[in-house]
Parts: sequence; C-alpha cells; structure tokens
Amino acid sequence: SAVISQKPSRDICQRGTSLTIQCQVDSQVTMMFWYRQQPGQSLTLIATANQGSEATYESGFVIDKFPISRPNLTFSTLTVSNMSPEDSSIYLCSVETGLSTEAFFGQGTRLTVV
Amino acid sequence: RKEVEQDPGPFNVPEGATVAFNCTYSNSASQSFFWYRQDCRKEPKLLMSVYSSGNEDGRFTAQLNRASQYISLLIRDSKLSDSATYLCVVNPDSNYQLIWGAGTKLIIKP
Repeated sequence: SAVISQKPSRDICQRGTSLTIQCQVDSQVTMMFWYRQQPGQSLTLIATANQGSEATYESGFVIDKFPISRPNLTFSTLTVSNMSPEDSSIYLCSVETGLSTEAFFGQGTRLTVV
Repeated sequence: RKEVEQDPGPFNVPEGATVAFNCTYSNSASQSFFWYRQDCRKEPKLLMSVYSSGNEDGRFTAQLNRASQYISLLIRDSKLSDSATYLCVVNPDSNYQLIWGAGTKLIIKP
C-alpha cells in the first residue's frame, strides 16, 4: 500500500490568484495522477505526473492552467493558476505502486474560489 | 456513450436489505475492474477488485460479464455504515490509467 499526505486540505482563494497543492508519498511509486472531483460528480483525470519530464494532460486541461511538477518518485505538486470560481472543486492526488493496479488517494484539497 | 456508466442514484434502502449496483463499460478490451467506495467528503478507497469468475468478500459479491460488458456489486444484509458512494472503475489497458464511473450513492435507512 501507499500512504499519501496531501496539503492543504482546504483553502479559500481570491479569483486571479494561484494555489499549489502538494502530494507526498511514503514510498517510491511508479505512477502519480491528479484528479478533479466537482460536487456530486465522479473523478476527472487532469494529468499524469511524470518523474523528470512534463506531465501528460488530458483533453480539456493545459499546462498553463495546471502546471505540475514531479521532481522525484515520492513527491508532486499541482498548481491551479489564475483561479476563477469555476475552479472550485476537490483536487485529489492518486498513486499506483506498480505492484497492483489499486489506486491510493490523498485526502483531497477542497478549493473554493471567491 | 460514456466509457463507464453506472445506475443513477441515490438508492434509499432499509437496513438489512440486499442492494445491487450495475455498471457497464464501452471498451471491450478492458483489462481490470474495480469497485471503490467513497464516503462523504473523503477520498475513494478500494472496496474490491472484480475477477472474471466473480468474487465474494463477506457481504459483498462482485461479478463480471465480459460478453455483456457489465459489472455488478451486490451487498447483502446492508448496514448503516454501508452508506456511501460506490464507484465503478475500469482499467481499459495496461497503462494504469483508470476510467471512473460517476458513482452511485447508497443511503441505508434504519
């Protein structure tokens, strides 16, 4: 299994500002992902965080809006840039260890943009 | 058509009843299948994987029908603590990217 620490757990931000979310894993993991979950909806994959290279973004998500870093196999950040109220959502870090296809999640970041 | 579709919710079920969730997937080449549980304001957690032969874990039974591209989850003798959203998840190939259903909310009533 993997234990994931995601910070912050929640934040209220002004529109036009940026927020960086951190995800720290207690072991080296193969795959790290960032998801968004809007109220009452399921998870939407934003991007796969690649160690040592640019993240792979899903359709509808771009690097300028959601820059991602992954400097090593245990840590990643997601930045939500130039925020608007439409960015209000829960953002979740997820990892897969490579030993199985089970996904482990951080506790989520509940973002409110005002 | 969505890649993974689930029964719309919420399901309101009395305690002790049996409840079944259904899920269909569009990619016939999908490799792996899972049910996750998500409690209110919490992250999803794996409930059980779904194997071709069907599998059971206590009160929970999962079944897979590849011909119909259909997955089910059965909960027997439901408890109040079973109240949650149940997410059907499919791995369409070997690249670890999971496809998530919209989830079915279950409410167990005393």
